[in-house]
Amino acid sequence: AQRVTQPEKLLSVFKGAPVELKCNYSYSGSPELFWYVQYSRQRLQLLLRHISRESIKGFTADLNKGETSFHLKKPFAQEEDSAMYYCALLRSQGNLIFGKGTKLSVKP
Amino acid sequence: DAGVIQSPRHEVTEMGQEVTLRCKPISGHNSLFWYRQTMMRGLELLIYFNNNVPIDDSGMPEDRFSAKMPNASFSTLKIQPSEPRDSAVYFCASALTGNTIYFGEGSWLTVV
Repeated sequence: AQRVTQPEKLLSVFKGAPVELKCNYSYSGSPELFWYVQYSRQRLQLLLRHISRESIKGFTADLNKGETSFHLKKPFAQEEDSAMYYCALLRSQGNLIFGKGTKLSVKP
Repeated sequence: DAGVIQSPRHEVTEMGQEVTLRCKPISGHNSLFWYRQTMMRGLELLIYFNNNVPIDDSGMPEDRFSAKMPNASFSTLKIQPSEPRDSAVYFCASALTGNTIYFGEGSWLTVV
């Protein structure tokens, strides 16, 4: 079965602390994974795509096929990072399946 | 490009009424998606069109929901009759097949 799992509903950290948002996937083929971010009452925006290997707003994510993971990391969290983060898997049919999301709260 | 455009942004309607949500995808994109977002179930794919043809509608909850894409620049999602449990944010998204999927601002539906 194709599935994306984000085990944490809520992650709360202090400003300046490291952040790791966990994502695990189940997919029989070669996965293509994404992180989307949704700020309060706004649209989902693409944060990262694993094939591009970019760092956006200080966030990085590495695909670990052995552990079937695509965790999102940032060394120093900022208050403006507070948002919902969704990990997503692109199916061969062309649509995305999403995890349930993790709400990141960065406290001052 | 203005991005994916959805209307209405907000709608409050009474149970039993018909609701029509509209979407204009990004010009040149040939894939269009309707997703529903709720607190309980997160983001769920309702239906997916490719080149205006429905490819996967397995996520459409029941016969009360229908979606059309009469041309490459317009799609509708209709709920008839609406029920309180349909209250959610409905996102339209588009992509060039296999590439990054871009989302609209969402239509916030409340059925009372």
